[in-house]
Parts: sequence; structure tokens; C-alpha cells
Amino acid sequence: AQKVTQAQTEISVVEKEDVTLDCVYETRDTTYYLFWYKQPPSGELVFLIRRNSFDEQNEISGRYSWNFQKSTSSFNFTITASQVVDSAVYFCALSMNTGNQFYFGTGTSLTVIP
Amino acid sequence: DAGVIQSPRHEVTEMGQEVTLRCKPISGHNSLFWYRQTMMRGLELLIYFNNNVPIDDSGMPEDRFSAKMPNASFSTLKIQPSEPRDSAVYFCASSWVTSGRRDIQYFGAGTRLSVL
Repeated sequence: AQKVTQAQTEISVVEKEDVTLDCVYETRDTTYYLFWYKQPPSGELVFLIRRNSFDEQNEISGRYSWNFQKSTSSFNFTITASQVVDSAVYFCALSMNTGNQFYFGTGTSLTVIP
Repeated sequence: DAGVIQSPRHEVTEMGQEVTLRCKPISGHNSLFWYRQTMMRGLELLIYFNNNVPIDDSGMPEDRFSAKMPNASFSTLKIQPSEPRDSAVYFCASSWVTSGRRDIQYFGAGTRLSVL
């Protein structure tokens, strides 16, 4: 069975602090895809990143970075020097190579305090 | 591209009324997904279509819910009759899906439904 766990329900940080959002996934498949989405207070779901299971290289995009570790089945997301605009709910998701479903975690609500 | 377009953005209705939510996927995408988001249950997949054909509707809560995709550029999610527990945000997403590749799902802005 496929499952995504985001154990952190809510996180609050002060602006300019770094913060890491955890994502742990479960699957027996060897080919799969991992995603992060951002849901700001306005409500829409915004795609941030996709990773396939064969690419464990970490990725950096501006203040955002992602750490994919197959050994621990984790795909963690770090925001460096957080800003108030980063306040949102962040979802991690898993998709398999067969079937069309996305398996979403329950989300982590991040509040960045000015 | 305009992205996935959902209408209406907000819907307030009374219990027992019929509600129809609409979605226009991104042009060229072959898969469309309907999700429901609530505080209690998070994001739930209700149904998805591939090439306009419903593939999996196991997430549809009950017979009061129905979805159609008459063509590649339009889908509806209907609730009849609506109940207060249907109050939620309903998202539509579209994607390009082929064998061996799982592309990004792009989401619409959602429809916030309130059933009084």
C-alpha cells in the first residue's frame, strides 16, 4: 500500500529562520514520483517540485531545497531564510508508475512570524 | 495557458438543492481529477478520468455524487441532493498521463461549497 506521512501538523518560525518540513513515504514499487505542493491562504494548490525514484540528487531552487533519501524513504523540504510569504500549508505527494492516483500527505501548516 | 479553470469559486446553497461544479482542464492534458478537501479528511480523490473515461470513482462518497466528462475540455461534478456534510473545497486537477510517466497535476483554484 502507498502512504505519505507528514508528521508535523503545524510549525511556526520567526522570519529569516530556516525550517525543514518532513515527508516520509511508503511504497513497494521501485519506480515512483514524489511531489511537493504549496497551498497559500488564498487556497490554490501550487506545484513546487517533482522527483522520480531514480534521481536522488538533492535540488535547490532559490531559498528552497529538497533532500531525497531512499534509504529512509524521506523527501524533506527546507526553506532557508524564511519569509512571511512562505506561510502556507505544504503537501507532500506520491505517485506510482502505474495507475493515476496521487497519494497526498495531510499537510504541514507553516506560519512565518514577522 | 490559462491553467485549470473552475467555476464557481464560491457556492452557497441550501440542503436538498442540486449543486454543479465545473472544470476546464489545461488544453492537451488527457487526465482529469476531482478532489475534496476538508479539515477532517484532508485531500481526498473523488474520481479521475483518462481520455474522458472515468477510470476510478471509488472515492465518490455516495450516489448523490456524480461526475461527467463529455469532452476533453469540460467536466462537471454534481451533488444531488446536497447535504451540510458536503461542505468543503472541491478541486479539479489535470495532467498528462502516459504509460511509464507520471506528470505533474495542475490544480484549479477550487470551489468552496457551503451547504446550509
